[in-house]
Amino acid sequence: QKEVEQDPGPLSVPEGAIVSLNCTYSNSAFQYFMWYRQYSRKGPELLMYTYSSGNKEDGRFTAQVDKSSKYISLFIRDSQPSDSATYLCAMSAYGNNRLAFGKGNQVVVIP
Amino acid sequence: DSGVTQTPKHLITATGQRVTLRCSPRSGDLSVYWYQQSLDQGLQFLIQYYNGEERAKGNILERFSAQQFPDLHSELNLSSLELGDSALYFCASSVATLPNEQYFGPGTRLTVT
Repeated sequence: QKEVEQDPGPLSVPEGAIVSLNCTYSNSAFQYFMWYRQYSRKGPELLMYTYSSGNKEDGRFTAQVDKSSKYISLFIRDSQPSDSATYLCAMSAYGNNRLAFGKGNQVVVIP
Repeated sequence: DSGVTQTPKHLITATGQRVTLRCSPRSGDLSVYWYQQSLDQGLQFLIQYYNGEERAKGNILERFSAQQFPDLHSELNLSSLELGDSALYFCASSVATLPNEQYFGPGTRLTVT
């Protein structure tokens, strides 16, 4: 079983729709949870960072962490064509200096 | 623009050769991380340096090595290259030793022929 599982998609949605992405993980020591956005031929860009369980909102983006279910989610409201990218979840344990990434979820927002 | 720079952008080389990838972290960041991204494996952590010292090792092959210099730039050396080493290599940096809030460079695309 991989440490972090993320359905690679791709996911196509019409402009204005809500995009829902999620990852599951197996390592209960993970406490830091991140979402990165990666455009084609670019480096990953940090989108959201959450510590432990709970929700975090930043503009059109909401990140949710449910540690009891080992499940994290990213929601994008009012999706725009510029949101078309690959979204990667990442997580780490306290004191462990590495990020474990999901394989990424390709999202296409159709105008 | 994350503030992390990587050179070169592209590298094409033959099997058995050795290459060096270079990374300059964001101003003020002391930690540098190297990652390999391939289609089948996704983004894999290779190694981390903090202020010149190795801090953590991931899935880094013995043929690969890295170092961080006093000016905080880092180099990843890949030797005895194989076809399977073809991938995107990313450098990331952060202020502290904890891996959260890492900022990634644009990457170096390595093609081994």
